[in-house]
Amino acid sequence: GAVVSQHPSRVICKSGTSVKIECRSLDFQATTMFWYRQFPKQSLMLMATSNEGSKATYEQGVEKDKFLINHASLTLSTLTVTSAHPEDSSFYICSARDGRTTNEKLFFGSGTQLSVL
Amino acid sequence: DAKTTQPPSMDCAEGRAANLPCNHSTISGNEYVYWYRQIHSQGPQYIIHGLKNNETNEMASLIITEDRKSSTLILPHATLRDTAVYYCIVRPLTRNKLVFGAGTILRVKS
Repeated sequence: GAVVSQHPSRVICKSGTSVKIECRSLDFQATTMFWYRQFPKQSLMLMATSNEGSKATYEQGVEKDKFLINHASLTLSTLTVTSAHPEDSSFYICSARDGRTTNEKLFFGSGTQLSVL
Repeated sequence: DAKTTQPPSMDCAEGRAANLPCNHSTISGNEYVYWYRQIHSQGPQYIIHGLKNNETNEMASLIITEDRKSSTLILPHATLRDTAVYYCIVRPLTRNKLVFGAGTILRVKS
């Protein structure tokens, strides 16, 4: 089945630094990818929709200048948390849609645990 | 997208069937029922989806009531590895994004 690879799985950084998270579709082309954030014991919250070759669409309340999304190719989307602060510590998850199929399943990466000190 | 209601948690004995209910009384005609699960500290995993007919795959069965206002996910022989949060989501096939609710924490116990 379709595989989505997310890297790194865990990152610890100092407050004020920027962190980049990569999401790759390994065996399919993903024109659309999605970024979620999950705090402990809470559900996934959609942050933004990443479209290949165009600007990302952010959900209400998500700062686009803080969470930079780049989807430069059909297999790679990146999320950069700029000037990270402790409140940005969270589990970040990407997902991608395999446009080849008609059943519209979304496949998810394994997530990135971000800890900002 | 139609709102779903799931019990916050359920227990199931290992080897027995786990039946997870989901209410979606405001579902519209073009909305599918999707089930995903999330094992601790991992990304969600697709399980199954359906429109109005019952569906079965290697992981589970999905039973949708005739009026489509509710559904049940059945794990026929639950194992300890099935312990996870199970999410029931309804959305049109043409809508890309998935919006997650609170889900049901399923604990499979030996």
